[in-house]
Amino acid sequence: DTGVSQNPRHKITKRGQNVTFRCDPISEHNRLYWYRQTLGQGPEFLTYFQNEAQLEKSRLLSDRFSAERPKGSFSTLEIQRTEQGDSAMYLCASSLGTGHPGDTQYFGPGTRLTVL
Amino acid sequence: AQKITQTQPGMFVQEKEAVTLDCTYDTSDQSYGLFWYKQPSSGEMIFLIYQGSYDEQNATEGRYSLNFQKARKSANLVISASQLGDSAMYFCAMRVYNQGGKLIFGQGTELSVKP
Repeated sequence: DTGVSQNPRHKITKRGQNVTFRCDPISEHNRLYWYRQTLGQGPEFLTYFQNEAQLEKSRLLSDRFSAERPKGSFSTLEIQRTEQGDSAMYLCASSLGTGHPGDTQYFGPGTRLTVL
Repeated sequence: AQKITQTQPGMFVQEKEAVTLDCTYDTSDQSYGLFWYKQPSSGEMIFLIYQGSYDEQNATEGRYSLNFQKARKSANLVISASQLGDSAMYFCAMRVYNQGGKLIFGQGTELSVKP
């Protein structure tokens, strides 16, 4: 059983550059989530998709951030004009999408972004 | 507002002993789920155990059990027979049924298992 995969695992970029991350969920999972985790903190929710529809976006997701899941399979998270404050671990998770509170989210290994 | 509080930034336990990691939560909703995840230094969040708000029995998964006290709004994780590989960050998280799909996480507890 293949888990959630994320690419790249590490990304170093200069301030002002654009970056894009990719997430491939578990194949039968309908929901896909993005979280951001800064050092010493728990993950913070950014956005999630039910199939290809983006159902919720956090206030953390400024207009420099955009996420897509065009065919309801993999997803991309793009950050435009990166800032040093964007340095964090970006985690992707997927779930079956039952809507029940116990709909368990399984996480990928994360993409660690460093903005110089 | 929903909130998860983990008051123990760091914990030490001797190998083979049991340890309890504390978690309290705040929500006015009646239908919610509580989760514990383990995050080793590699960074991946590993699902450990789930407890539903309507579950009458405490959840157990192998060496992990969840001490759920609804009236106190606490959901403590108990790890029995600690192993060196249990050294990691542990996060408590909550999902409220009518608040979409997001998980709300606490700040985590760093567990160190001593040989």
